[in-house]
Amino acid sequence: DGGITQSPKYLFRKEGQNVTLSCEQNLNHDAMYWYRQDPGQGLRLIYYSQIVNDFQKGDIAEGYSVSREKKESFPLTVTSAQKNPTAFYLCASTNRAYEQFFGPGTRLTVL
Amino acid sequence: RKEVEQDPGPFNVPEGATVAFNCTYSNSASQSFFWYRQDCRKEPKLLMSVYSSGNEDGRFTAQLNRASQYISLLIRDSKLSDSATYLCVVNIINNFNKFYFGSGTKLNVKP
Repeated sequence: DGGITQSPKYLFRKEGQNVTLSCEQNLNHDAMYWYRQDPGQGLRLIYYSQIVNDFQKGDIAEGYSVSREKKESFPLTVTSAQKNPTAFYLCASTNRAYEQFFGPGTRLTVL
Repeated sequence: RKEVEQDPGPFNVPEGATVAFNCTYSNSASQSFFWYRQDCRKEPKLLMSVYSSGNEDGRFTAQLNRASQYISLLIRDSKLSDSATYLCVVNIINNFNKFYFGSGTKLNVKP
């Protein structure tokens, strides 16, 4: 089955710790995105990548970093500089009809 | 001003009712339009794309009014399983293919 996988499903971070969220897709999509969703809020764009080895900051990139070394993979690192990282993180990729498909998400909680 | 605005609801309707949601967008350069459904604590899932001439998928009808910059979603014969949050999404291809999400409209279908 084609799709987008994210891991882990739940993640707990201690203060001052960096953590990396995994996102993999086998849909052969070029564009991939990371969003953050807070309770009762809409999705906010963190980073996006249109092609391998290239990515751009979204609206709330501070405290986050990404890499795009392979077409299938777009990991997100939440650094200690992100002051309020507790949220639901969603990875997505886009087909040529500009339809966006999401992974199941990772819930990050700061202890 | 937000790029995409939706009435947060909730819309509480009985089974079998017809319900309509509207969404307005601010950027006239918006080129692609979508409705997503998001269940509680889950990822958004594509419900339907919205085409200029309007389109229908079973009980769901989507319409686009470019002149007034709004998108609508009509759900006929509501089912209990339609209870979810409905997200309006617009895409600006020329702006690095960014997507803008509304905060969502919550629908509760009651027996």
